[in-house]
Formats: sequence, structure tokens, C-alpha cells
Amino acid sequence: AQTVTQSQPEMSVQEAETVTLSCTYDTSESNYYLFWYKQPPSRQMILVIRQEAYKQQNATENRFSVNFQKAAKSFSLKISDSQLGDTAMYFCAFMKPSLQGAQKLVFGQGTRLTINP
Amino acid sequence: DTGVSQDPRHKITKRGQNVTFRCDPISEHNRLYWYRQTLGQGPEFLTYFQNEAQLEKSRLLSDRFSAERPKGSFSTLEIQRTEQGDSAMYLCASPPRGNTPQFFGPGTRLTVL
Repeated sequence: AQTVTQSQPEMSVQEAETVTLSCTYDTSESNYYLFWYKQPPSRQMILVIRQEAYKQQNATENRFSVNFQKAAKSFSLKISDSQLGDTAMYFCAFMKPSLQGAQKLVFGQGTRLTINP
Repeated sequence: DTGVSQDPRHKITKRGQNVTFRCDPISEHNRLYWYRQTLGQGPEFLTYFQNEAQLEKSRLLSDRFSAERPKGSFSTLEIQRTEQGDSAMYLCASPPRGNTPQFFGPGTRLTVL
């Protein structure tokens, strides 16, 4: 079974700083997907960024980028020029693709990120 | 707004009562997932539908839990004889197709007194 570990329960940075959230995972699969989801306080979970394991290039979405190290099974999220609206719980998630079966997400425990003004 | 809606948003019930939650996914999405998120934890998979067929259930889904998706549209999750340990956020999610990310609804927060 796959497991996802986020070793930083909480982080706090000043507005405009850069912050990196860590995530490691354990799997014997070679083809899979990794995601970072953001869950603001009392609001719904939204996708931040995704990475396909077969792609060597790290994904980037505006201020958000990942450092995907397949051999090390590491998938960190970097937020540049952090903004107050980035304050949220951040979840790392793993998904094994399946043609017919459930493509269930396996989540880490989350990192509570606070951006201070 | 992801386009996935859930009702109710909050539910407070007494232990032993039955509760039912509803999820309305984006209309053309044929896959639908239910997850449970307890306080301070990441969501955990409960069950999966492809159209109206329930194809996979987690061991977390005890026999007090039942889920349906009639006609492959909305889905309901019922918990019978609720227990305090059932208190959690129940999330519904649907991906547009294939290996694409899942879009989550706002969740139903259940509190069992």
C-alpha cells in the first residue's frame, strides 16, 4: 500500500517570502501521479499543482512549483512571493492510475501554512 | 467553486440517529468518490462509483454506511446508528475524465453528540 508523509505539521512565513513544503511517499509503482491540494480555512479543497511520475520536468503553476525527485520519492512544493491568501492546509496526495478501478487519492497528514503580514 | 456541490454543509445529530448526505458532481463526470476527513488529518478514501455502479469500498466503510448513485447522477451517503467516532468532514470528489485530478465539493461536516 502507498503511504504519503508530510513531516511539517505547521509552517509560518512572512508575506512575500518563499516557503517550501516537504512530502515523501512510498510506493512500488513506476507510473503514478502526485498532487498538492490546498484547503483554506472553512473552504473547499482545491488543486494547486500536479506531477506525472513519467515526466522528468518539474511542474510549475505561476508562483507554485515542485521539486520531484523520483528516486528519493520526494515531492516538495515551493511557493514564491507568498501572499496572505496562501494561508491554508496543504495536502500532498498520491494516485495510481487505473483503467477501470478506483483512482483513489492517498493523502498525507497535511501542513498548516500561515502567511503573516 | 469546483462545480461539485454537497448538502447539507453541516449536520449535528445525536448518537444512534441516521443521517444522509448528498453529492451533486459535475454532470458529465461519470466517476465519483467519497472521502472522510477527521480533524487535523488528510482525507481517506471511502468508496468509488463509476456511473451507477459502486466498484470499490474501503474497509473504513462499516456495514452502518451505505452509498448509492442512482442513474449515475447525484450520490447519497447514509450512516445508520451514528456513533461519536463518525464525526468528520465527508467529502465528495469527481474527476472530469481518466487520470485527471479530482475536484472536491465543499464537504458535509458531521457532528455526532
